[in-house]
Amino acid sequence: DIQMTQSPSTLSASVGDRVTITCRASQNIDSWLAWHQQKPGKAPKALIYKASNLETGVPSRFSGSGSGTEFTLTISSLQPDDFASYYCQHYYTYPLTFGGGTKVEIK
Amino acid sequence: EVQLVESGGGLVQPGGSLRLSCAASGFTFPDHYMDWVRQAPGKGLEWVGRSKDRAEGYVTVYAASVKGRFSISRDESKNSLSLQMNSLKTEDTAVYYCTSGRGGYPDYFNHWGQGTLVTVSP
Repeated sequence: DIQMTQSPSTLSASVGDRVTITCRASQNIDSWLAWHQQKPGKAPKALIYKASNLETGVPSRFSGSGSGTEFTLTISSLQPDDFASYYCQHYYTYPLTFGGGTKVEIK
Repeated sequence: EVQLVESGGGLVQPGGSLRLSCAASGFTFPDHYMDWVRQAPGKGLEWVGRSKDRAEGYVTVYAASVKGRFSISRDESKNSLSLQMNSLKTEDTAVYYCTSGRGGYPDYFNHWGQGTLVTVSP
């Protein structure tokens, strides 16, 4: 199975900060990576697919990059609505697996 | 607008069975992969299984943790996805989400339902 490792697991930041979350795959997954945002008590929501493509309606302050085994999710200027948990997920092969998540908290 | 609405969750004893349903609308149901993803209380996300699209014969794929116990099926006439869960264990306790793919291969979890809670407890 491909293991997905996210860092950090928790991140404290202020409104307006630039935030970067890293996701590492245990083997090559090309660009078959998605990012999902989850707020407490709510269902996840897809933000990015194929490593760098924004879902329709997702603000442009979100961006994704990377290929192979190293990926990043960047929020260029953190907004109050962005405090949430973020999960990376590969879809290169089965089983599909998620990273452990990164909780973005208010500093 | 894509809508996925899960139902069927509840309390069940270990060793019991439960059937979840997902009503899908707003897209061409046969042409998209459909998955079940679960989240145990306070934990991360875990993929449960997939129904591929009609072009691939609705072939199903499962996570090792549920293979042989869970079964996914579709009803094209009702645009409905089901998850039959047998031989349930306490570790199956989770919110179960129905998801739909974007289309294309390979595919990911493009849209998510609101989830339904399954509690396995004596």
